[in-house]
Amino acid sequence: AQTVTQSQPEMSVQEAETVTLSCTYDTSENNYYLFWYKQPPSRQMILVIRQEAYKQQNATENRFSVNFQKAAKSFSLKISDSQLGDTAMYFCAFCLGASNTGKLIFGQGTTLQVKP
Amino acid sequence: DVKVTQSSRYLVKRTGEKVFLECVQDMDHENMFWYRQDPGLGLRLIYFSYDVKMKEKGDIPEGYSVSREKKERFSLILESASTNQTSMYLCASSFLPAGGVGYGYTFGSGTRLTVV
Repeated sequence: AQTVTQSQPEMSVQEAETVTLSCTYDTSENNYYLFWYKQPPSRQMILVIRQEAYKQQNATENRFSVNFQKAAKSFSLKISDSQLGDTAMYFCAFCLGASNTGKLIFGQGTTLQVKP
Repeated sequence: DVKVTQSSRYLVKRTGEKVFLECVQDMDHENMFWYRQDPGLGLRLIYFSYDVKMKEKGDIPEGYSVSREKKERFSLILESASTNQTSMYLCASSFLPAGGVGYGYTFGSGTRLTVV
């Protein structure tokens, strides 16, 4: 069975600085997808970034980038130039590529506080 | 703007009541999911559906049932609410993966259920 682990329950960062959130996962499959979702205080979950396991290049979306280490089964999220609006809970998620349901498996979440 | 709409943002029910949580999506997605979110546990899958009248158990289905009579609507039913079902409930939807591609979910904004 696949599992996703986020070992940092809470983190904080000063505005404009860089922070990295950690995520590890366990699978014996080769074809899968990884995601980071953001849940602000409004509770609306928003997709931040998506990585396809067969792509070696790390995904990037503006100030958000990932460090995907397939052999180590690690998928960390880097937020550059942190803004107050980045304050949220962040979830790492995994999906098997061969799945016919697209079911996501989530980590425990990391609460990020951006301080002014 | 595409949406997943959950009928209630906050709900308070009494122990033993039958509770219905409704979710509607306007994106013509095949898949719909119900998760519960608890601190330190992340999101755990209760049930999902990949077609009308089709349903599959997730990781924690005990005490819950679901109904999907129309493609756009997926209901979660607590047959006899108990205090340990006090939680945040999140509905999500997605397209069926095509060619093994995982798209991730679109989420509703959650229902915070308190059972007293």
